[in-house]
Amino acid sequence: GQSLEQPSEVTAVEGAIVQINCTYQTSGFYGLSWYQQHDGGAPTFLSYNGLDGLEETGRFSSFLSRSDSYGYLLLQELQMKDSASYFCAVTSGYSTLTFGKGTMLLVSP
Amino acid sequence: DGGITQSPKYLFRKEGQNVTLSCEQNLNHDAMYWYRQDPGQGLRLIYYSQIVNDFQKGDIAEGYSVSREKKESFPLTVTSAQKNPTAFYLCASRRTATDTQYFGPGTRLTVL
Repeated sequence: GQSLEQPSEVTAVEGAIVQINCTYQTSGFYGLSWYQQHDGGAPTFLSYNGLDGLEETGRFSSFLSRSDSYGYLLLQELQMKDSASYFCAVTSGYSTLTFGKGTMLLVSP
Repeated sequence: DGGITQSPKYLFRKEGQNVTLSCEQNLNHDAMYWYRQDPGQGLRLIYYSQIVNDFQKGDIAEGYSVSREKKESFPLTVTSAQKNPTAFYLCASRRTATDTQYFGPGTRLTVL
């Protein structure tokens, strides 16, 4: 099966850079994705890093170490609107995603 | 505008009743997915479909059923066999040859 570990909460100040870590255990790894979810809303895609390439959006970038089964999301120039939950997700067979439990990012002024 | 729609946004049902959640997409995506999210938790896969008239069980399929008669539509039925159906249900679709999934706004189901 698959399992992912990420911190439950991270705090940072406006304008800073923050890193959210994710470690995973999986069989048949294809890639690691990151999604953002504001309270009560739909998850939105931020980044994908995998065997077939890299895709990033806006101020969000990601790093992947397949040998260490570890990756992180990097958010630059933090804004108050970045306060949300961030999920890492592993792609395995049949392009299904297995999600971590999420990291709540709190951005303060 | 292309996108995924889910209706209704909020749904209340009495215990023991089946309920069907709607999911429609006009993105021309082949693959569609249903997830369940509980408070403070990640998304868990219920069912997915890679192509019309075919679907597969995800990690928590018990008590749920789906159909995929049209490419645009992937309704989810929460049956009375689902022991704890109160949750936030999210539908998603995926472009072929990519891993990026696009999510609908979700349906919050409360069973009383």
